[in-house]
Amino acid sequence: GAVVSQHPSRVICKSGTSVKIECRSLDFQATTMFWYRQFPKQSLMLMATSNEGSKATYEQGVEKDKFLINHASLTLSTLTVTSAHPEDSSFYICSATRGPGNTIYFGEGSWLTVV
Amino acid sequence: GENVEQHPSTLSVQEGDSAVIKCTYSDSASNYFPWYKQELGKGPQLIIDIRSNVGEKKDQRIAVTLNKTAKHFSLHITETQPEDSAVYFCAASPLNQGGKLIFGQGTELSVKP
Repeated sequence: GAVVSQHPSRVICKSGTSVKIECRSLDFQATTMFWYRQFPKQSLMLMATSNEGSKATYEQGVEKDKFLINHASLTLSTLTVTSAHPEDSSFYICSATRGPGNTIYFGEGSWLTVV
Repeated sequence: GENVEQHPSTLSVQEGDSAVIKCTYSDSASNYFPWYKQELGKGPQLIIDIRSNVGEKKDQRIAVTLNKTAKHFSLHITETQPEDSAVYFCAASPLNQGGKLIFGQGTELSVKP
């Protein structure tokens, strides 16, 4: 069964609004979670690394004020897309791990459509 | 930083044949190389992984080989079945970066019955 759960699996929001996506590790404590974005027929692009209790580390070119990441507990990280625009429409996927050297588990992804 | 190249981008095989997907990486310090299968509209599913202290690993019909000197690793699927059809991604994890994964471009595998 799934060990990393994402919610919602699909969301439609209006341009200019904000939307939050949750990523939960179901049966382990995830010291580190990662957020990826995937456009159709493309690979996964790492957006940011999230460590519990500290600020996320964003990859070059990813706007930290637009993609707010919170990792307040060892089982939950959230990604908030602020002031969403149609070009933010994408498949957002999180992954989680107990720590370096441990298996990395992916969630089922969240489809975001901004209209 | 790490860069991963994956080939081919598409691969079509007959059911029962073998499929091979190859990846190269640039950072010699990378030490973990997983392979993921992604079906349409779903998240990636880990199918096999290998660490830098091992040259080969096998799990039933799936095997992965790693050549650290040449900095390339390959996925081998034997006796392919139609349900193996999906997009496959290789990835490399740079050392001391907390488990960050850098993905290849993906290979769309089609197994024809």
